[in-house]
Amino acid sequence: SQTIHQWPATLVQPVGSPLSLECTVEGTSNPNLYWYRQAAGRGLQLLFYSVGIGQISSEVPQNLSASRPQDRQFILSSKKLLLSDSGFYLCAWSVRLGSRRGYTFGSGTRLTVV
Amino acid sequence: AQTVTQSQPEMSVQEAETVTLSCTYDTSESDYYLFWYKQPPSRQMILVIRQEAYKQQNATENRFSVNFQKAAKSFSLKISDSQLGDAAMYFCAFPAFQGAQKLVFGQGTRLTINP
Repeated sequence: SQTIHQWPATLVQPVGSPLSLECTVEGTSNPNLYWYRQAAGRGLQLLFYSVGIGQISSEVPQNLSASRPQDRQFILSSKKLLLSDSGFYLCAWSVRLGSRRGYTFGSGTRLTVV
Repeated sequence: AQTVTQSQPEMSVQEAETVTLSCTYDTSESDYYLFWYKQPPSRQMILVIRQEAYKQQNATENRFSVNFQKAAKSFSLKISDSQLGDAAMYFCAFPAFQGAQKLVFGQGTRLTINP
């Protein structure tokens, strides 16, 4: 079966500390992978997406970076966190189903920068 | 660029009644599809329903149905016989044609169910 794992579920980090959030998928190959951020009570903003190993596209300029070291692994990082990096981070993947794509979301990481 | 607009930040409905959530979108494509997602307090994104643009028939999943008006670029979600478990944020979403078909989301509608 196709599943997505995202961890940690909750994280509290001090300003200026590094960040690493990890997302892995199972049961599929060559998925498109996405990182979204959701501010409290708001919609989802796409941060990064990847169509293959080592291929990263950034949607908005920011303090974060992403990497895809393996086909089914997507990592969101920061060298120095800012207060504004607080939010709910969702990983998602999609695979082609005929001419369409199916999308699956992870359970999310709630990040609080203090 | 594709955009999705949800004009109702909050809605409320009495339990067992019907509520309709609105969504409009903009695209120059003729072949596309649309989603409604539910995000309960757990914040897990759950697919509610999907509509193909080429289909004239509105999609239905149990108590959930859509009113898809392609010419008007409108895609509303109707929830019948509302239940307490329907309380959540609801997002309309649209796979962008370019850029790895990333999902573009509306701003969301918070639905409250009154017992």
